Amino acid sequence: DTGVSQNPRHKITKRGQNVTFRCDPISEHNRLYWYRQTLGQGPEFLTYFQNEAQLEKSRLLSDRFSAERPKGSFSTLEIQRTEQGDSAMYLCASSSWDSLYGYTFGSGTRLTVV
Amino acid sequence: GESVGLHLPTLSVQEGDNSIINCAYSNSASDYFIWYKQESGKGPQFIIDIRSNMDKRQGQRVTVLLNKTVKHLSLQIAATQPGDSAVYFCAGDSMDTGRRALTFGSGTRLQVQP
Repeated sequence: DTGVSQNPRHKITKRGQNVTFRCDPISEHNRLYWYRQTLGQGPEFLTYFQNEAQLEKSRLLSDRFSAERPKGSFSTLEIQRTEQGDSAMYLCASSSWDSLYGYTFGSGTRLTVV
Repeated sequence: GESVGLHLPTLSVQEGDNSIINCAYSNSASDYFIWYKQESGKGPQFIIDIRSNMDKRQGQRVTVLLNKTVKHLSLQIAATQPGDSAVYFCAGDSMDTGRRALTFGSGTRLQVQP
């Protein structure tokens, strides 16, 4: 296991379409996070899972966004009815219980909504 | 809420010089801070962290200083190398509400001139 894996790396979609991203964390990590990063800005927290439980959601996570981690391993982030403002880099990170904040980020999925 | 920001968007240094990147935060309850490095097309990479019960922490070629009185922290990079060129983010969190999400600043781009 070489790190946090995110797929796809790039996604171009038309406005109004649904998209789904996948994150595979480091296998022994029970904590998983989604962040969004727009150009020139730092990452913004979206949501956090501990095992399969979604424990926290940001107000940025509108009802068009949904995240799941059904078996406590990989996670998916779905955006329905995409808007141009959804264009951003979506980052996933994971950590183990004893390294709460020194967590490992994936390379992200860059979404472009046209 | 937490607000974390950086003083300068771009810092240019000569190879071999020391670099200092600054960061200010607004939430006096913040008790944990991390510095991340982000290279183009990659996710943020953990550099060093510090808790609020410390004023200074050193790593390999990096030192983080925390001044809780003025709510300021800095990242010092010794003998800056071309490979240090990247965007650097500070991130902070407070455990008083039991949150598990970091708040990132907007970043400082470090350019190392040969």
